[in-house]
Amino acid sequence: NAGVTQTPKFQVLKTGQSMTLQCAQDMNHNSMYWYRQDPGMGLRLIYYSASEGTTDKGEVPNGYNVSRLNKREFSLRLESAAPSQTSVYFCASQGAAPTNTGELFFGEGSRLTVL
Amino acid sequence: AQSVTQPDIHITVSEGASLELRCNYSYGATPYLFWYVQSPGQGLQLLLKYFSGDTLVQGIKGFEAEFKRSQSSFNLRKPSVHWSDAAEYFCAVGASSGGYQKVTFGTGTKLQVIP
Repeated sequence: NAGVTQTPKFQVLKTGQSMTLQCAQDMNHNSMYWYRQDPGMGLRLIYYSASEGTTDKGEVPNGYNVSRLNKREFSLRLESAAPSQTSVYFCASQGAAPTNTGELFFGEGSRLTVL
Repeated sequence: AQSVTQPDIHITVSEGASLELRCNYSYGATPYLFWYVQSPGQGLQLLLKYFSGDTLVQGIKGFEAEFKRSQSSFNLRKPSVHWSDAAEYFCAVGASSGGYQKVTFGTGTKLQVIP
């Protein structure tokens, strides 16, 4: 039972480098989300995809881009990494209403350090 | 826009003692409310959720939460804490929008359990 799979689990970048975090879910969920977690700030929504073919900005989208490649996959790209983007990134998926009442299923996280 | 406040950043309880973690939310309509738990280095796992019906909700691992509309609260409780309950706990509120829910998290409460 894979659920939500994120890669890579750890990454160290230099300022200005680019990278893509990959996320895939095998639960046939419609909606997918990217959050970042920083100490004392909880989880903040970066971008989300309510359904295949759509993406929208969340609370902290600056410096990021996303692609909903298909129903299973939702990637997060940092075009020019900055130290402020050092964080733990979580991908989550969510089934469609009304049968699913909003529960998010999370990956194990990707720990990114930008030097 | 919805928001969640968890006033306690850190709580320490003795093993076997009772536990109550506080959560207050702000949302104009009937909220969908969640409690998630995060063990170190892991993703988030759903403990319980409320969206309608009985205001006392039972969850996994012996946790329960009570929705009080008049106080805009959704506090998490456990009668007797076990050492394995040491983790970080997040309260969250979901706002329905079409076929998905945008979920906003509180800043978390870190629980320490002492022998």
